[in-house]
Amino acid sequence: GQSLEQPSEVTAVEGAIVQINCTYQTSGFYGLSWYQQHDGGAPTFLSYNALDGLEETGRFSSFLSRSDSYGYLLLQELQMKDSASYFCAATSSGGYNKLIFGAGTRLAVHP
Amino acid sequence: DAGVIQSPRHEVTEMGQEVTLRCKPISGHDYLFWYRQTMMRGLELLIYFNNNVPIDDSGMPEDRFSAKMPNASFSTLKIQPSEPRDSAVYFCASSPNWEETQYFGPGTRLLVL
Repeated sequence: GQSLEQPSEVTAVEGAIVQINCTYQTSGFYGLSWYQQHDGGAPTFLSYNALDGLEETGRFSSFLSRSDSYGYLLLQELQMKDSASYFCAATSSGGYNKLIFGAGTRLAVHP
Repeated sequence: DAGVIQSPRHEVTEMGQEVTLRCKPISGHDYLFWYRQTMMRGLELLIYFNNNVPIDDSGMPEDRFSAKMPNASFSTLKIQPSEPRDSAVYFCASSPNWEETQYFGPGTRLLVL
């Protein structure tokens, strides 16, 4: 089957750095995406890795290791507004954009 | 662009009634996805379309659910008859091609009593 595992909850303080890990087991894996969802809102795209290594987008970075079936999202200089749920999602290959989502990690940022 | 548009935003209905959810994707996007989100099951892909053609409906829970995309700018997800366990947030998303990010609509919050 296809599955992604990520921690259910993470807590951090403002200004800190937090890393949210994701391990995946999917057939025909093509790439790993990260989405953010605030309570009551819709998922919004953060980052995508198709190749091994680190992708940086402002305060957010995402990493992928295909050999380890592992990726992470790194959030730096945390702000209160970063409190949300973060989902990793695997894209399967084969020419079709099908995302399999993890269960999500709820990040709580405290003053 | 206005983004993905969904209607209604909220729907309360009684068990046994028919429910129709609507979605307008971003213009020019070739892919359209329907998801369901619940606390218990998380975010599940129900069905997706490429160029108005259903590609994978393996996530549709049962025959009570059906989805159509009559043209590039409109899709519906229908539940008939509805049951309390169908209560969830239903998201529609679109993307320009298979490798691009998906853009989600605001969702329809469905409550079946």
